[in-house]
Amino acid sequence: AQTVTQSQPEMSVQEAETVTLSCTYDTSESDYYLFWYKQPPSRQMILVIRQEAYKQQNATENRFSVNFQKAAKSFSLKISDSQLGDAAMYFCAYSWGYGQNFVFGPGTRLSVLP
Amino acid sequence: KAGVTQTPRYLIKTRGQQVTLSCSPISGHRSVSWYQQTPGQGLQFLFEYFSETQRNKGNFPGRFSGRQFSNSRSEMNVSTLELGDSALYLCASSGLEQPYEQYFGPGTRLTVT
Repeated sequence: AQTVTQSQPEMSVQEAETVTLSCTYDTSESDYYLFWYKQPPSRQMILVIRQEAYKQQNATENRFSVNFQKAAKSFSLKISDSQLGDAAMYFCAYSWGYGQNFVFGPGTRLSVLP
Repeated sequence: KAGVTQTPRYLIKTRGQQVTLSCSPISGHRSVSWYQQTPGQGLQFLFEYFSETQRNKGNFPGRFSGRQFSNSRSEMNVSTLELGDSALYLCASSGLEQPYEQYFGPGTRLTVT
C-alpha cells in the first residue's frame, strides 16, 4: 500500500531563514506524482509545488524548491527566505494511476518566528 | 475563475441523524474528490467522482456516500451520524490535465453531538 510519512510534526524557522521539511513515501509504482500542499490557519488548502516522478530535475516555484530522490523515495521541501505568511500546516501528497488516487502525509506544522 | 465552494461551512448535528454536504467545483472541472480531516487521522480520502460516476473509493463504511450531478456539482451524505464523524470535510476538484492537481474548497466543519 502506498504510504506517505512526514517525520517532523512541528518545525519553526526565523523569518528570512531557510527551512527544509521532510517527506518519504512508499510505493511500487514507477509513474506517479508528488505534491506539497499548504494549509494556512484559514483552512483552505493550496498547492505549493508538484513533481512528476519521471522528471529528474527538481521542481522550483519562487522561494519553494524540492529535493526529489526517487531511489530513496524522498521528497523534501525547501523554503527559502521564510516569510510570516509561510506559517501553515504543510502536507506532502502522493498520487498515482488514473484519477484522483491521493495519499496525504500527516503534515508538518511550520511556525515562522519574527 | 471562481474557486471550489462548499456549503454549508459549519454544521452541528446529533448522533443518529444524517447530513448532506455540497461541493461546487471549479468551472470545467469534472473530477470531485472528498476528504475527511481530523486531528487524529489527518486527511483521509473518501471518494472521487468523475462524470457522475464514482471512480475511486477510500476505506470508509457504507454510511458515507456521494453523488455527482451532470453539472459536476457533488454531494456527500453521511447517514446515522456518530461522534467520530466530527471533522472537517474537504472537497477538491481537478481538470483533465495531468498531473491532476487538486484545488480544494474551504471545507465544511461538521460537529456531531
